[in-house]
Amino acid sequence: GAVVSQHPSRVICKSGTSVKIECRSLDFQATTMFWYRQFPKQSLMLMATSNEGSKATYEQGVEKDKFLINHASLTLSTLTVTSAHPEDSSFYICSAHRNYEQYFGPGTRLTVT
Amino acid sequence: AQTVTQSQPEMSVQEAETVTLSCTYDTSESDYYLFWYKQPPSRQMILVIRQEAYKQQNATENRFSVNFQKAAKSFSLKISDSQLGDAAMYFCAYRSITNAGKSTFGDGTTLTVKP
Repeated sequence: GAVVSQHPSRVICKSGTSVKIECRSLDFQATTMFWYRQFPKQSLMLMATSNEGSKATYEQGVEKDKFLINHASLTLSTLTVTSAHPEDSSFYICSAHRNYEQYFGPGTRLTVT
Repeated sequence: AQTVTQSQPEMSVQEAETVTLSCTYDTSESDYYLFWYKQPPSRQMILVIRQEAYKQQNATENRFSVNFQKAAKSFSLKISDSQLGDAAMYFCAYRSITNAGKSTFGDGTTLTVKP
């Protein structure tokens, strides 16, 4: 089956610093990946669509300059949270499509202190 | 824009019994996909079942089945012979065939299975 990995699974950073989260499709190529944010006991909120070789498409209300997305290859997309603040603390999930199926990474828990 | 509504924030079921989770959606599209995902405490999203809108036959995966009513825009999930491992948060999701394949998720239903 298709596998999507995320690294790191957990990260703690200090306010004002930047943190990068990687999303990889391990056994398939993904021209499109999606980044979601999820608060405890809430739904997944789509942040942006990551397109290989082009700029990401951000959902309304998502700060492009804070959440930098780079889809460098057909198997890797990265989300960088810049100048992180405590309100950026959340669970971040990526997903990739393969043959109309959507495969999710295990998520990254970001805590900003 | 599409919307997905799960009207049951929490549900509980006795082990070995049957439970149905509700989901309604709103769309102007005629062809799309509908999904139920399970999110256990590990928070890994797991696909439970998928339904293509053009198919009239309800999808079934072992103990999981759906009741897809396209005209009513309803997509409920039935879990038969509930097991303790079924306890999780369940999300109903709509995915457009166009619109870059974006998915819209409902707010989720937390299912508790009582032994």
